Amino acid sequence: DVQMTQSPSNLAASPGESVSINCKASKSISKYLAWYQQKPGKANKLLIYSGSTLQSGTPSRFSGSGSGTDFTLTIRNLEPEDFGLYYCQQHNEYPYTFGAGTKLELK
Amino acid sequence: QVQLQQSGAELVKPGSSVKISCKASGYTFTSYDMHWIKQQPGNGLEWIGWIYPGNGNTKYNQKFNGKATLTADKSSSTAYMQLSSLTSEDSAVYFCAREFGGYLYVMDAWGQGASVTVSS
Repeated sequence: DVQMTQSPSNLAASPGESVSINCKASKSISKYLAWYQQKPGKANKLLIYSGSTLQSGTPSRFSGSGSGTDFTLTIRNLEPEDFGLYYCQQHNEYPYTFGAGTKLELK
Repeated sequence: QVQLQQSGAELVKPGSSVKISCKASGYTFTSYDMHWIKQQPGNGLEWIGWIYPGNGNTKYNQKFNGKATLTADKSSSTAYMQLSSLTSEDSAVYFCAREFGGYLYVMDAWGQGASVTVSS
């Protein structure tokens, strides 16, 4: 199975700042990396897929980059609603695997 | 809009089985794969498998072969996952999630999650 290593595990930031979350695959997954947001009481949300394609409805302050084994989710100009858990998922091969998550907290 | 409504929390005994439901609305149920994902506290997310309700085809994560069985009822637009021979390792929140489409294997709509607690 492809192991997905996310970093950092925890991240504290203030509204208006920019943050980056990294995801590293144990082997090349081409461009096939997705990012999700998880918040209590809300359905998980697909933000980005295929490395850099924004899902409909994802604000433009979110961006994804990378290919092969190294990927980054960047959130610019943080809004209060951006705080929560973020997961990466490789969608290149079975079984699809997720990172352990990054908790983005308010500083 | 697309909605996935899952069944409620379950408290079940070790060795028993449980069946979780996921009722879909807002789209053509038979045209999209339905994924199932497991989440344990501190363990992140694990993909269990998908079912294509149109013809019942399934694909499982080998780890869940024999543990999870995915079915779908077209008449009620409901997907089901049965978990068998339950142990404490099966205590988790289980999500259903719709496949985005185009063979991308990402999940663009999620249920609210169903908590399963295995305890005597």
